[in-house]
Amino acid sequence: QSALTQPASVSGSPGQSITISCTGTSSDVGGYNYVSWYQQHPGKAPKLMIYEVSNRPSGVSNRFSGSKSGNTASLTISGLQAEDEADYYCSSYTSSSTWVFGGGTKLTVL
Amino acid sequence: EVQLVQSGAEVKKPGESLKISCKGSGYSFTSYWIGWVRQMPGKGLEWMGIIYPGDSDTRYSPSFQGQVTISADKSISTAYLQWSSLKASDTAMYYCARCTGANWYFDLWGRGTLVTVSS
Repeated sequence: QSALTQPASVSGSPGQSITISCTGTSSDVGGYNYVSWYQQHPGKAPKLMIYEVSNRPSGVSNRFSGSKSGNTASLTISGLQAEDEADYYCSSYTSSSTWVFGGGTKLTVL
Repeated sequence: EVQLVQSGAEVKKPGESLKISCKGSGYSFTSYWIGWVRQMPGKGLEWMGIIYPGDSDTRYSPSFQGQVTISADKSISTAYLQWSSLKASDTAMYYCARCTGANWYFDLWGRGTLVTVSS
């Protein structure tokens, strides 16, 4: 069970949009619409940002959106703000009835 | 308030045993799964395993199968993660997280338990 593949880092200026990719296989990302995304600030617990590929929990800004094509899911953050600077992780349910996380992406707001 | 409260930080020696806990409150504990996630210092999240307190159905990541034991006591709304013989490489932050059974995402997280294993 290999971790999902995410870029190690992305960056953008305030107001810009960025996209973080999450690539898996047909046994996880490609096989189910159970992809979720989590935000983690330093020293804090992860926070759910997107579930079931593109759904936002109550309270999460509509600047966050998710999508999926084939074995790759994506998280897009529009109108970047300084508070968005954090680590982001994707996760997927798998055909083995287990879960797998991505390696994480560090977002820097320039 | 809906929350998961984890036990406090632990400092142990290699070879010692340990059991950390995660207590759910403010919701029906037996209606959700509880997962455990490891985060080694400066590293990413790793899914370890999950339990359904309603019937103790438990699943493990192949990477952690046989290395840890996940259990739950539904009478006190508490899930556990335990080691029989700790190694220095078990030093990490351990999070518990609630998972919906229908949609398979982790919507509620504990604040984490830091486990330090050092001689």
